[in-house]
Amino acid sequence: QVQLVESGGGVVQPGRSLRLSCAASGFTFSNYVMYWVRQAPGKGLEWVAVISHDGSTKHHADSVKGRFNISRDNSKSTLYLQMDSLRPEDTAVYYCARDRIPYYDFWSALDYWGQGILVTVSS
Amino acid sequence: DIQMTQSPSSLSASVGDRVTITCQASQDISNYLNWYQQKPGKAPNLLINDASNLETGVPSRFSGSGSGTDFTFTISSLQPEDIATYYCQQYDNLPLTFGGGTKVEIK
Repeated sequence: QVQLVESGGGVVQPGRSLRLSCAASGFTFSNYVMYWVRQAPGKGLEWVAVISHDGSTKHHADSVKGRFNISRDNSKSTLYLQMDSLRPEDTAVYYCARDRIPYYDFWSALDYWGQGILVTVSS
Repeated sequence: DIQMTQSPSSLSASVGDRVTITCQASQDISNYLNWYQQKPGKAPNLLINDASNLETGVPSRFSGSGSGTDFTFTISSLQPEDIATYYCQQYDNLPLTFGGGTKVEIK
């Protein structure tokens, strides 16, 4: 069965860095567009970043552009989110998610999600 | 950016009631609209893609309709296990954007 497991979260001071990982299993990871989506405490969902199946194309939300970088290692079936210059407003549960359509390098629906990992940015 | 306006933000209904949630896009998004259910402490779960296509395994009491800028999500007969927050999401253009959510409670 499809599984996405995030790791790497925790408490970090403003201005510091953190790298999230998302280990995928149960499907051919290299065939799918992948996403990061976050949810601040008590708030709604916010798309963070998307990456093509081969990692050649990536896009980031304006709120994180220049500070966060999405990447992937298809040989390890793992998605990453490098988060630099963290701010208190980046505090959220971060989800990795898979696109619904294989072999399709655009965005559509997010059909499988990880359990989420909490990132808290606080001094 | 495409803004997604979802209403109501919350509702309370009785078991067996018909529940309707609307989602309005700030511009024409054709049928590039998905609906998710999120239960407390859990990740979102995709219910409907492309405005009206029910995901495999999702109960038939859930349905979606609409195109262009106006969309509707319906639970035909509310069940206790449907207590959750529901989100619409457009994928016509980046950034992907979600509606603000509708929290559904049992009266």
